[in-house]
Amino acid sequence: DAGVIQSPRHEVTEMGQEVTLRCKPISGHDYLFWYRQTMMRGLELLIYFNNNVPIDDSGMPEDRFSAKMPNASFSTLKIQPSEPRDSAVYFCASSSGGGRGGTDTQYFGPGTRLTVL
Amino acid sequence: AQSVTQLDSHVSVSEGTPVLLRCNYSSSYSPSLFWYVQHPNKGLQLLLKYTSAATLVKGINGFEAEFKKSETSFHLTKPSAHMSDAAEYFCVVRSASKIIFGSGTRLSIRP
Repeated sequence: DAGVIQSPRHEVTEMGQEVTLRCKPISGHDYLFWYRQTMMRGLELLIYFNNNVPIDDSGMPEDRFSAKMPNASFSTLKIQPSEPRDSAVYFCASSSGGGRGGTDTQYFGPGTRLTVL
Repeated sequence: AQSVTQLDSHVSVSEGTPVLLRCNYSSSYSPSLFWYVQHPNKGLQLLLKYTSAATLVKGINGFEAEFKKSETSFHLTKPSAHMSDAAEYFCVVRSASKIIFGSGTRLSIRP
């Protein structure tokens, strides 16, 4: 398996522009997670899906952020409009099962490094 | 409420000496606990996980961790550090629908 695939790997954009990050989870995994990592705030869970349905989006920082999972093999994280403080590395991860207790292992993608000028 | 605290932001050891990375947690439920490692410019990789089975958990690359409920701790250890262990390590608690990452511990290895 190719693992979790994220695109683009690097994105540089100007403040106010729309940014779309993409993720393809491992085939067969039914959980998908979006994380943001910065020096100041560390690693933060933004949102996660189970069977394409958002379960917990309490980590989404504000309305400028939105995430979708139209099918089991694709998810997007969109920022509109982007701001310099959104600059970070965004990770996508997927896992299989785990139920309510969450014992499953998450497999992380390589991340998208976003720079907003 | 859940939380996880990694007690050291940076640990430096000499190659061949033991490694101890400390993690304390709090959880209202019986948690699952994980350690992940992140090498520079890479995604995170699972080292080991505790899921209410054996309290001493063995992971990859010679790492292990012991779940101590009375101390609410899940410290990560390795008997002998290798240069390739230099990385960032994250302790994670997961319970119910919540997933909390610790702030990370950067492990440096001195030759």
